[in-house]
Amino acid sequence: KAGVTQTPRYLIKTRGQQVTLSCSPISGHRSVSWYQQTPGQGLQFLFEYFSETQRNKGNFPGRFSGRQFSNSRSEMNVSTLELGDSALYLCASSLEGGMNTEAFFGQGTRLTVV
Amino acid sequence: DAKTTQPPSMDCAEGRAANLPCNHSTISGNEYVYWYRQIHSQGPQYIIHGLKNNETNEMASLIITEDRKSSTLILPHATLRDTAVYYCIVSASSGYSTLTFGKGTMLLVSP
Repeated sequence: KAGVTQTPRYLIKTRGQQVTLSCSPISGHRSVSWYQQTPGQGLQFLFEYFSETQRNKGNFPGRFSGRQFSNSRSEMNVSTLELGDSALYLCASSLEGGMNTEAFFGQGTRLTVV
Repeated sequence: DAKTTQPPSMDCAEGRAANLPCNHSTISGNEYVYWYRQIHSQGPQYIIHGLKNNETNEMASLIITEDRKSSTLILPHATLRDTAVYYCIVSASSGYSTLTFGKGTMLLVSP
C-alpha cells in the first residue's frame, strides 16, 4: 500500500511570507501528526489531528496551524515566516493514534526561509 | 512523559548483533516503549514497540527489563543499511499519539 505522501518535498520562502504544506496519510489512517526537525532542537511535536479535530498540540506559537479534511488528508500552515522556521517538517499517520500503535512517517518537506 | 537516556553513538561490525540500550527509569505503568530509526535525510521509520513483554518482529527484538526501567533493541545481524540514528521513546501518558524524540543513538555499522 502507498505510504505517507508529503508535498512539496522542498520549498524556499522569504521572511514574512506564509506557507502551506500537505500530507496524505496511509489509506484508512485517521490520525495525522506533524513534527518539526531542526539541527538544534531535534524532532519536536507540532500537533495531531484525528477525525478533522485537533486532538493534541505541542509548544509552538500560533503562527503554526493545521487542519484535517474529511478524507484524513492534512495541511499545516505557517504564517509570517521567520528564519528560524527553516526545518524539515514531517508528517506521521496512524490508524487511530493512541499509545499502542505505530506511526508511519513521510519523507518530509524541507522548508528554507531566506 | 517519561524521559529516556541513550548513548550518543555506537559502532557495530557488519553481520554482528547490534544491542542498543535505553534507560527510562521514570516510565509509568501504562506507557509503551517505542523504537524508531532515522536514516539520513529520511523520515523516521517505526521498528518495534512493547509494554512489558519482550517483542520480536522481522526487523528487531525488544527486550524490556522486568522493572521496565530499561530496554534493549537488538538488530540480530546488522548491515550497512542499518546505519542510522535510533530513537527510544516512551509514549505520552495522555494516550494520544505524540512521540517525544530525544537525541537518540547514532549507530554506525562498518564493513
